[in-house]
Amino acid sequence: AQSVTQLGSHVSVSEGALVLLRCNYSSSVPPYLFWYVQYPNQGLQLLLKYTSAATLVKGINGFEAEFKKSETSFHLTKPSAHMSDAAEYFCAVTEYSSASKIIFGSGTRLSIRP
Amino acid sequence: GAVVSQHPSWVICKSGTSVKIECRSLDFQATTMFWYRQFPKQSLMLMATSNEGSKATYEQGVEKDKFLINHASLTLSTLTVTSAHPEDSSFYICSASTGDQPQHFGDGTRLSIL
Repeated sequence: AQSVTQLGSHVSVSEGALVLLRCNYSSSVPPYLFWYVQYPNQGLQLLLKYTSAATLVKGINGFEAEFKKSETSFHLTKPSAHMSDAAEYFCAVTEYSSASKIIFGSGTRLSIRP
Repeated sequence: GAVVSQHPSWVICKSGTSVKIECRSLDFQATTMFWYRQFPKQSLMLMATSNEGSKATYEQGVEKDKFLINHASLTLSTLTVTSAHPEDSSFYICSASTGDQPQHFGDGTRLSIL
């Protein structure tokens, strides 16, 4: 079965600083990789997805992620953090046997310092 | 974009009662719907997968007689928590998919059992 690991349950950066949230997946190449954002008491919003078309994926709100097969990583970045970026971020992967069944990482809470 | 509506957003009820949560895809036909449970500060745990007109497939450890799932149409799935107890208190999130497309998530239902 596929799995995904998010390093760091909490990341804090200053407003305007680079945001880097780390995600590593299990070794089999999955059909899809995702990053979702969750604001308090809300569902999940898709930030971006990797579907093997391009290794650098651009998403909404200025976020992007790069698929690196050699490192089995799919880290999420944003050049300049905004206060509104404070939320919980989940990396996710589909199970190889089912294109739609998603396995979520444990999540990373992003805090932005003024 | 695709919209998934979840109702109610918050429910408080007495121990022993049953609670029904609805998940609707508003502008697309969802062949598959998923139900997740999320404990505070934790990731989403898949409870079950339901396909329209079929019995739901439950994940290991999820009691199917406790969490009744019905997916009677391509736009509606319901989760009924039967004889709810305080340990069933949680945040329940549904998602909907048209097969191989990424899931679209509802805003979640916070269930509190007194």
